[in-house]
Amino acid sequence: DTAVSQTPKYLVTQMGNDKSIKCEQNLGHDTMYWYKQDSKKFLKIMFSYNNKELIINETVPNRFSPKSPDKAHLNLHINSLELGDSAVYFCASSRRQGYEQYFGPGTRLTVT
Amino acid sequence: AQTVTQSQPEMSVQEAETVTLSCTYDTSESDYYLFWYKQPPSRQMILVIRQEAYKQQNATENRFSVNFQKAAKSFSLKISDSQLGDAAMYFCAYRSAGGNQFYFGTGTSLTVIP
Repeated sequence: DTAVSQTPKYLVTQMGNDKSIKCEQNLGHDTMYWYKQDSKKFLKIMFSYNNKELIINETVPNRFSPKSPDKAHLNLHINSLELGDSAVYFCASSRRQGYEQYFGPGTRLTVT
Repeated sequence: AQTVTQSQPEMSVQEAETVTLSCTYDTSESDYYLFWYKQPPSRQMILVIRQEAYKQQNATENRFSVNFQKAAKSFSLKISDSQLGDAAMYFCAYRSAGGNQFYFGTGTSLTVIP
């Protein structure tokens, strides 16, 4: 009964390729997030959706595009991958207001 | 935007001893929530403890407790009777009561010495 799941957990790909990471939560939460964690462990918010509506869109390259088909799913598509995209990407979800986030296991993306 | 500062990049503690991790934040809001998350080498982010700003009483969860000083905008985490499994990166986080965005500190790497 995984609360927030991500697939895949590991992704190794070459520069220039396009890849997607999928996220699903079964907690009934309204809000979902994508974070990027770099090699220094710094967590950077990328996007957030509330009930399929984009509410947070930080300054990230437009090669990154989130898609939320329903409030339980938030996918991340990355075009034309670059070496600097190598990181761990976390999906998270929370109730609308005031509550903690629950994180997925992370996807380690390595671009070669 | 709110900022969260963790001034200790690394800390170490002897097994069975007590350690305190510091966190300060900057906000003009009066109603908000504060969290400590733990990230062990497995990389899973795990919620350790949560504090509502309107509550004066400090939150506790077993060996984990906080010292919440609202006026000073300080939110430290105390780990008592440290265990080897406590070794991890610890992140402090802030969320305003009416908002969706979380603000994370840069983390403190805790080493537990046997």
